Amino acid sequence: AQSVAQPEDQVNVAEGNPLTVKCTYSVSGNPYLFWYVQYPNRGLQFLLKYITGDNLVKGSYGFEAEFNKSQTSFHLKKPSALVSDSALYFCAVRSISGGYNKLIFGAGTRLAVHP
Amino acid sequence: EAGVVQSPRYKIIEKKQPVAFWCNPISGHNTLYWYRQNLGQGPELLIRYENEEAVDDSQLPKDRFSAERLKGVDSTLKIQPAELGDSAVYLCASTVGGGVTDTQYFGPGTRLTVL
Repeated sequence: AQSVAQPEDQVNVAEGNPLTVKCTYSVSGNPYLFWYVQYPNRGLQFLLKYITGDNLVKGSYGFEAEFNKSQTSFHLKKPSALVSDSALYFCAVRSISGGYNKLIFGAGTRLAVHP
Repeated sequence: EAGVVQSPRYKIIEKKQPVAFWCNPISGHNTLYWYRQNLGQGPELLIRYENEEAVDDSQLPKDRFSAERLKGVDSTLKIQPAELGDSAVYLCASTVGGGVTDTQYFGPGTRLTVL
């Protein structure tokens, strides 16, 4: 079965510092990985995805993520955090192995960027 | 381009009452998803439509939940009767196709409170 783990409920970062939000996954076939952000009372907004190719994926708002197959991880990063980045971040994985074709989300990580 | 539209945004009902949620996907998107997001968790798929056809409803509690997508555009999700445990945010998402690498675009959600 597919699964996603976001080991940190909350990440606290000072504005201007780099940030990392962690994600690990488990699938039996090739993973297709996604990051979404959710602001209060709003739906999920797509940030970036890894399908194939370069392990470093660049996305919206200066975010990037690195796919690491050996560690089954897909951590979200940003070189310099902004207060406006404070939100809830979700990692998700999808695979078609065994006919299983669902987007499975992690429980989310709350990012708090302090001035 | 307009995003996914959902209504109502908020709904408060007494238990055992019926409730319905409406979703209008992005124009041209053939695949439509309904998710439920419980507090502190990531979204979980309830049902997926390819045009008018429900191709994955394995997670839909069919004793009280129903959904339809007449004409392959708008969709309605209904709960009858609602239970206290149904309190959650109901999210609608759409993609051009149902491919495993397609990006899902989410609406703002309907926050349901069952008293």
